[in-house]
Amino acid sequence: LAKTTQPISMDSYEGQEVNITCSHNNIATNDYITWYQQFPSQGPRFIIQGYKTKVTNEVASLFIPADRKSSTLSLPRVSLSDTAVYYCLVGAGNTGFQKLVFGTGTRLLVSP
Amino acid sequence: DTEVTQTPKHLVMGMTNKKSLKCEQHMGHRAMYWYKQKAKKPPELMFVYSYEKLSINESVPSRFSPECPNSSLLNLHLHALQPEDSALYLCASSQGTHGGTRPAGQYFGPGTRLTVT
Repeated sequence: LAKTTQPISMDSYEGQEVNITCSHNNIATNDYITWYQQFPSQGPRFIIQGYKTKVTNEVASLFIPADRKSSTLSLPRVSLSDTAVYYCLVGAGNTGFQKLVFGTGTRLLVSP
Repeated sequence: DTEVTQTPKHLVMGMTNKKSLKCEQHMGHRAMYWYKQKAKKPPELMFVYSYEKLSINESVPSRFSPECPNSSLLNLHLHALQPEDSALYLCASSQGTHGGTRPAGQYFGPGTRLTVT
């Protein structure tokens, strides 16, 4: 399983765009990049997943360069409710399940 | 229904007690997971069930005993726990892969906050 490195914490203000970068130098060919969000005392929530280039959904965008050794989660115009821990995970599924190994994550604090 | 439910929300137990945590999903997912999460730490995988069979046991002490009675239910039986086992216990479920090696996202429940006294 590829190890990931993220900043421990980030601060932002409401309305700003936040970019959280994840480094995964030993990503394997079959690996996908998945981001989860976790609020205090709740289970993590799937945000977005990608393999290469750019993926966008109603919540976030995920940018993956050609070498796939890093990725960037972009949250447009954050609000106070985006204060949470964001986890970057790298891995592949097999036919029945996926083993998730969470890193330390990035603690995002959004202030008014 | 895209929800994973867990009961109870909170549990306080003594070191000699026997208790069980319950998890349920009705999304037709065939993989179910138990995680343990200590305060300000990431979730740690404990067990994985795939098609009701135990696929992964991450060297969890035998005082934790998982059970998957059917494809919708997952239990975690607790016996003779230690105070250091106090944590948030999370259940999750997922489909298998979408095809190839693309992993399916996992849906997590709200967790059971366990305190061992």
